[in-house]
Order: sequence, then structure tokens, then C-alpha cells
Amino acid sequence: EAQVTQNPRYLITVTGKKLTVTCSQNMNHEYMSWYRQDPGLGLRQIYYSMNVEVTDKGDVPEGYKVSRKEKRNFPLILESPSPNQTSLYFCASSSHYRTEAFFGQGTRLTVV
Amino acid sequence: KQEVTQIPAALSVPEGENLVLNCSFTDSAIYNLQWFRQDPGKGLTSLLLIQSSQREQTSGRLNASLDKSSGRSTLYIAASQPGDSATYLCAVSGDNDMRFGAGTRLTVKP
Repeated sequence: EAQVTQNPRYLITVTGKKLTVTCSQNMNHEYMSWYRQDPGLGLRQIYYSMNVEVTDKGDVPEGYKVSRKEKRNFPLILESPSPNQTSLYFCASSSHYRTEAFFGQGTRLTVV
Repeated sequence: KQEVTQIPAALSVPEGENLVLNCSFTDSAIYNLQWFRQDPGKGLTSLLLIQSSQREQTSGRLNASLDKSSGRSTLYIAASQPGDSATYLCAVSGDNDMRFGAGTRLTVKP
């Protein structure tokens, strides 16, 4: 089944403790991206990747890192999480940035 | 910077009604527009994708139109059902990114 898989689905952590949210797709898509969704603000893009080893900042990249060492994986790294990064995070992939996007189920992160 | 607006923010209708959700965007230089459905606590499910060269797309009871020159899209849902209750998001794709509206929360009452 074609899908985008995020892990974990839920995470509660403390301020400053590094964490990684994984994202994997099995559709051989070149384009992958991360979004955060906050009430009243909608989805905002954090980072995107056009292909392996090619990443770029979206609208809200501060406090986040990404890497794209393999085509199928695009992890989101929070080196020192803060409470303002409490949010619902989505990973998405598409064959090209102009084509249909497929989303993961989301990761609800709470930083206390 | 592209801005995407969805009106209304919330909508409640009785079962069986036909309804229209609206999406507007400020920059007409888009590659495509996509409508998504989001259920509470779930991810986004793609409903329809309209390329910039197209005027509309249809899938079952759903019909989406695109008027790129005026910066507008509508999602028409025919004969609404309680199972259609969800938040509907539109997103436009430009250079390297996709920008979302805040969504319309739809409730269809039995």
C-alpha cells in the first residue's frame, strides 16, 4: 500500500531534550516536506526536499533540522525543543512539487 | 507572498443539502490547487487536484473548479451526508512550496 509513515504518532518531551520524528514513504517520490499545524494558523511549511541531499527552508524553519540521505526517508530533528514547538506535525511526499501530495497521519508533539 | 483564504471558517448543514466551500488566493502564478479532507486527529486525505491549465475536476459527489485569473476555487459537495463532516483544506502549489488555507469545518447533521 502506498503510504507516508510517521513515527511516533504522539510524543511528550521536556524542554531541551533532542528528538527526531521519522518520515518514510514507499512511493519513490522525489519531493518531501514537513509542516506544522496550529489552531488558527493552518499548515505552515518547515522544510522541504526536492531530492536526496537537497533540502531548503520553508516558512518556519527556526529550531528545526532535516536531512535527506535516502530518497524514502526525511527525518525532522528538534535539537533543543521548546514549548512553542508544541504542535501537530505532518510529513508529505509527492513525485514532484507540482503533483498530488500524500500526507502522513501526523505526529502530535507536546514540549513541557 | 501567497496568501490563501477559506470562507466560511465553519459551516453546518442538514443532510442532503448541496453546498459550496470557497478558497481564494492572492497570486495567480500557481501550478495546481488541491483540496484535502482532514478528520479530527487524522492526516490529510487528497480529494481533488486541479492543474493550473484545468477548469474543474470531479470525483463522485465532489466537484472542484478553478478560476486562476480571479484567484478562486470552489468545492461543491452534492447531497451531503453525515460522513462528509470534516475539515476541508485547500492548498496551492507555487515555486517549491504548497500554501494552505486555514480550512472550513463542515458539519452535516442527520
